[in-house]
Amino acid sequence: DVQMTQSLSYLAASPGESVSISCKASKSISNYLAWYQQKPGEAYKLLIYSGSTLQSGTPSRFSGSGSGTDFTLTIRSLEPEDFGLYYCQQYYEKPLTFGSGTKLEIK
Amino acid sequence: QVQLKETGPGLVQPTQTLSITCTVSGFSLTSYYMQWVRQTPGKGLEWMGFIRSGGSTEYNSEFKSRLSISRDTSKNQVFLKMNSLKTEDTGVYYCARDLLRGYYVMDAWGQGASVTVSS
Repeated sequence: DVQMTQSLSYLAASPGESVSISCKASKSISNYLAWYQQKPGEAYKLLIYSGSTLQSGTPSRFSGSGSGTDFTLTIRSLEPEDFGLYYCQQYYEKPLTFGSGTKLEIK
Repeated sequence: QVQLKETGPGLVQPTQTLSITCTVSGFSLTSYYMQWVRQTPGKGLEWMGFIRSGGSTEYNSEFKSRLSISRDTSKNQVFLKMNSLKTEDTGVYYCARDLLRGYYVMDAWGQGASVTVSS
């Protein structure tokens, strides 16, 4: 199985700052990588797929980059509603696997 | 408006069978693959399996021997059944819709059904 590693489990930042969340695959997954956001009491939300394609409705301050094994989700100019949990998921091969999540909190 | 809602028993005894229903609206089950994902304290997010728009299924081998996914398109419902439950199966179970058939990216999720396995 492809292991997805999000090395930072917790990240604190202030509104207006930019942050980057990393995700590493245990083998090359090309660009078959999605990013999701989870907020308390809300459904998971797809933000980005194919490594860098913004899902409809995702604000342009979000961007994804990377290919192969290393991927990054960047959020420019943080808004209060961006705080929550972020997960990566590979869909290069089955079983589909997820990272352990990075919690983005307000500093 | 696309909506998904899971309903489940809440509490299940060890060795028993878990049954969860996912009721959808705003789209047709015959047009989309439907996924099941769970989140447990021990293993985090785990993909369980899916049912294709045509009705065939595919499962994570981790669960294959005890998992069944089915649907009733007339009722817009997808079903998860898993037997031989253990305490480690405690968690939140989500149904989710595939962005595109066979794309394996989930663009809509339910709020999840919380399941506790305990005697």
